[in-house]
Amino acid sequence: DAKTTQPPSMDCAEGRAANLPCNHSTISGNEYVYWYRQIHSQGPQYIIHGLKNNETNEMASLIITEDRKSSTLILPHATLRDTAVYYCIVRGGSNYKLTFGKGTLLTVNP
Amino acid sequence: NAGVTQTPKFQVLKTGQSMTLQCAQDMNHEYMSWYRQDPGMGLRLIHYSVGAGITDQGEVPNGYNVSRSTTEDFPLRLLSAAPSQTSVYFCASSYSGRPPGANVLTFGAGSRLTVL
Repeated sequence: DAKTTQPPSMDCAEGRAANLPCNHSTISGNEYVYWYRQIHSQGPQYIIHGLKNNETNEMASLIITEDRKSSTLILPHATLRDTAVYYCIVRGGSNYKLTFGKGTLLTVNP
Repeated sequence: NAGVTQTPKFQVLKTGQSMTLQCAQDMNHEYMSWYRQDPGMGLRLIHYSVGAGITDQGEVPNGYNVSRSTTEDFPLRLLSAAPSQTSVYFCASSYSGRPPGANVLTFGAGSRLTVL
């Protein structure tokens, strides 16, 4: 199973872009990168996923490097409500042991 | 469409007591899993299931039992609760083996367990 590495915490000013990195150097060819976030003590929520192309939805953008060993989640205009723990995981094929790790605590400051 | 429902939301047990955390989903998801979350430890996988009658261990399975007799339900059993099992427990489900956009995990709201 591919593992991911994320910084434990990051700060961002309200209205600015938040760029959250994730390293997944052992990702295999059929594994996708998924991002989730957990606000306070709620259950984690899905944000976005991708394989090798950049992806964008109404919440965020996902940039995956050409070698697929790392990715960046971009929140284009962070708000105070985006303060949360963000998790990057990889999943694909017969990988059912989905490990989340500790994620990155993003704090958006006014 | 209720999504993933966990009960109870809060529970206090004494050491040695047994209990079952319930998890039900109404999305016909094949994959279901249980995580525990302790302060500073992130989410750790306890057990998971890829379909009725099929279960497997995650990272921290000791002290917990699971079974999957139906697609909808995936209960987590603590046979003899210990203070080390004080935690917040999350159940999650998803489709399995389908296009990746369908394999998104849906989480329940969590069950907070305290063992005295």
